[in-house]
Parts: sequence; structure tokens; C-alpha cells
Amino acid sequence: DTEVTQTPKHLVMGMTNKKSLKCEQHMGHRAMYWYKQKAKKPPELMFVYSYEKLSINESVPSRFSPECPNSSLLNLHLHALQPEDSALYLCASSRSGTSLTDTQYFGPGTRLTVL
Amino acid sequence: GENVEQHPSTLSVQEGDSAVIKCTYSDSASNYFPWYKQELGKGPQLIIDIRSNVGEKKDQRIAVTLNKTAKHFSLHITETQPEDSAVYFCAASPYGTDKLIFGTGTRLQVFP
Repeated sequence: DTEVTQTPKHLVMGMTNKKSLKCEQHMGHRAMYWYKQKAKKPPELMFVYSYEKLSINESVPSRFSPECPNSSLLNLHLHALQPEDSALYLCASSRSGTSLTDTQYFGPGTRLTVL
Repeated sequence: GENVEQHPSTLSVQEGDSAVIKCTYSDSASNYFPWYKQELGKGPQLIIDIRSNVGEKKDQRIAVTLNKTAKHFSLHITETQPEDSAVYFCAASPYGTDKLIFGTGTRLQVFP
């Protein structure tokens, strides 16, 4: 089973709202990722968690706040977003964060619209 | 940092024909090269990958070739079917990182 699940599938929020995106995997993977994908563009890496610790932050604005409560769960907390933050947010996981790059498995994404 | 170029941006083929998508990368330290297929409204799905110690890999109708000297790798799909229609992304991962650097994508359309 190589399934990564994400909730919600769609989210519409105002610029003053606070919301969270959730990601879950039960493959025993120890690395988890958040990507942002704009229409007709490739995914762009936002954050990497390795063994529940933040290992990469690609200079993402502080209105995006990641959290990894345990090895199976990854959250992305959203606050005071801008309309240009509207995008597909993808979660991925891989076996471990080691020097031998492991295959990343992606979830279906959350389609976010900021009004 | 790593930069990945992908060509063509769109590709239309007749059902049963072959399709080839090419990518070049800039960082000679990159050692892992996956290919993803993304259908409309879905997340990217891994279809095949190759590591730098291998020159070619095949899985049924799909094959990937890697030329480390020239720093390019290609996806080959034979006997294309309408369900192969999607956006395909190549990616490269520099050694020692968890990062995937994606190409710009190729929209493949297979006409019946």
C-alpha cells in the first residue's frame, strides 16, 4: 500500500481565516513533505520533515506553519493567506531522509482557494 | 542549485505510436531521477525511476534512459493508449538531499 491521504479535498477561506490541511500515511515512512503547485506548473517544495523534525524550509512565508505531531501525520496551518496562495497543496512521504534518496509518494492534494 | 529542463511542453501522438520526453539537469551530483504522471485533479503518481548507477530501466511499455555524461534522461512510452494522456514531470534529486527538483512538465495527448 503506497497511499497518502489528504483532507480536505477542497478548501475555500478568507484572508482572515485560520485553517489547517492534514496529511496521513501508514507506510512507516519517516520523511514527509509539503509542496505547493500552481496551475500548469510543477510542484514546488515548501517543507521537509525527517524523523518528525523540520529539516528543510524553503523560505516559506510565516503565514504557513507546518507541524508533524507523529511519524504518520503532517499538518499545514494556514493564517492570513493572500489570494496568490491559492493552489493545489500536495503532501508526500518517503521511507526515510537519508543520503540515498527514497521514492516520494504523493497524496491527491488539497485544492485551496483564498478569497 | 539544480535546474531541470524538460521538452517538449506538449506532445500529441496517435494511439499505438511511441512518445519520448527528454530532460536535462545541471548538477552532476544528482543521483536519482523519477518520472511522475499527473492526471487532472490528482496528485503526481510515480511511474518509473532510475538511479545514477544504472543506464536504462524498463517496466512493460515504459522505459527510462540516463546519460550521466551528457546529464540528460528520457522517458519512452511505447504502444501509447488514450489513458496515457496526462502531464508528465521529470525530476532530479541532488545527492545527500531530500529534495526533488521538477522539470516544467509535458502534456501528452494520445488520440484514438
